[in-house]
Amino acid sequence: EIVLTQSPVTLSLSPGERATLSCWASQSVSSYLAWYQQKPGQAPRLLIYDASNRATGIPARFSGSGSGTDFTLTISSLEPEDFALYYCQQRVNWPITFGQGTKLEIK
Amino acid sequence: EVQLVESGGGLVQPGRSLRLSCAASGFTFDDYAMHWVRQAPGKGLEWVSAISWKSVTIGYADSVKGRFTISRDNAKNSLYLQMNSLRAEDMALYYCVKDKGRYGDYEGHFDYWGQGTLVTVSS
Repeated sequence: EIVLTQSPVTLSLSPGERATLSCWASQSVSSYLAWYQQKPGQAPRLLIYDASNRATGIPARFSGSGSGTDFTLTISSLEPEDFALYYCQQRVNWPITFGQGTKLEIK
Repeated sequence: EVQLVESGGGLVQPGRSLRLSCAASGFTFDDYAMHWVRQAPGKGLEWVSAISWKSVTIGYADSVKGRFTISRDNAKNSLYLQMNSLRAEDMALYYCVKDKGRYGDYEGHFDYWGQGTLVTVSS
């Protein structure tokens, strides 16, 4: 099973700042990594798939990068609605696995 | 508009069974693989099971293998999860999830999620 480790666990920033979230895989997942956003009481929403492709309707301030074992989700300038939980997920092997999440909170 | 509506959750005793259903609409259901993903209260996301568009390829997390069975009825645009021998650790919100890839076995990224159905396992 591929283990995904996200860092940091909690990230405290202010609106307008740049956010950088990391995800490391225990073995290579090539570019088969996605990022999801989850707000309290809501289902997750796909932000980025295959490491760097924005999903439909996702604002350009969200971008993804990386390949192999190291990945990054960047939010260029935080909006109030961006404060949420973020998960990475790999699809290269079954079982499909998720990271434990990064909580992005308002400073 | 894509809609995934889960049902069938509830309170069940350990060792008993429950069957979850998911009604899909707004897309060509039989063109896509489908998944179940669960989230225990206050915890992260755990992939549970997947079924390909023609039900040829099926997969399970080790934690549910041998106890859960995924199935689909393309004529009814419906996905199911039969859960047997339920344990306390199965207690979670169960999401019905659409695979992003069209045609074929599956792609493995998830572009639409239902709102979930809560399964509570307790005596």
